[in-house]
Amino acid sequence: EVQLVESGGGLVKPGGSLRLSCAASGFTFSNFGMNWVRQAPGKGLEWVSSISTSTSVIYYSDSVKGRFIVSRDNAKNSLYLQMNSLRVEDTAVYYCLRGGGRDPLDYWGQGTLLTVSS
Amino acid sequence: QTVVTQEPSLTVSPGGTVTLTCASNTGAVTSGYYPNWFQQKPGQAPRALIYSTNNKHSWTPARFSGSLLGGKAALTLSGVQPEDEAEYYCLLHLLHYGGAWVFGGGTKLTVL
Repeated sequence: EVQLVESGGGLVKPGGSLRLSCAASGFTFSNFGMNWVRQAPGKGLEWVSSISTSTSVIYYSDSVKGRFIVSRDNAKNSLYLQMNSLRVEDTAVYYCLRGGGRDPLDYWGQGTLLTVSS
Repeated sequence: QTVVTQEPSLTVSPGGTVTLTCASNTGAVTSGYYPNWFQQKPGQAPRALIYSTNNKHSWTPARFSGSLLGGKAALTLSGVQPEDEAEYYCLLHLLHYGGAWVFGGGTKLTVL
């Protein structure tokens, strides 16, 4: 069974940093692109970042470019999102999502909540 | 800035048919945008329904179908069930616009 479990969310002050993790199981992690998607409270979904299987192709939304860094460790079956210079508007539930490139976007994690507030 | 537009809300009767659409301000949506559709119910993570315009996942009910319609991506629900009441999001791959994926604002579907 495919499982994606996010962790690392919490309360951070504006300007602070945090790293989110997504632990994958039930499939060969190194064979799939991965993505981060967020959802602010009461708002719609926002794509944040994508990373290819070998990390050779990485994309970011304009809203996080230069502040967030996506990475993965295929040996640990894990996806990461390093978030720096956090803003109040980064407050959201962050989901990891499997797929991209030529693979369908299919499985979602349950999300982890980041709150940026003073 | 790329904007993907969906109907904010739609209402359909049980057993009826409804089509949700997804447009891009970059021009006509084609298969090259790899349209995806997701369903989200309150308090839950989203669930994938359709990928690459019209392909269903193994768990996608047969009453859901994807297509291209008049320059937009479309999601059609035929024989709507009460449990289909949810928010629906489309997602487009703007490969030729920096490689980003962009979600539409979502359509709140009410079954009444």
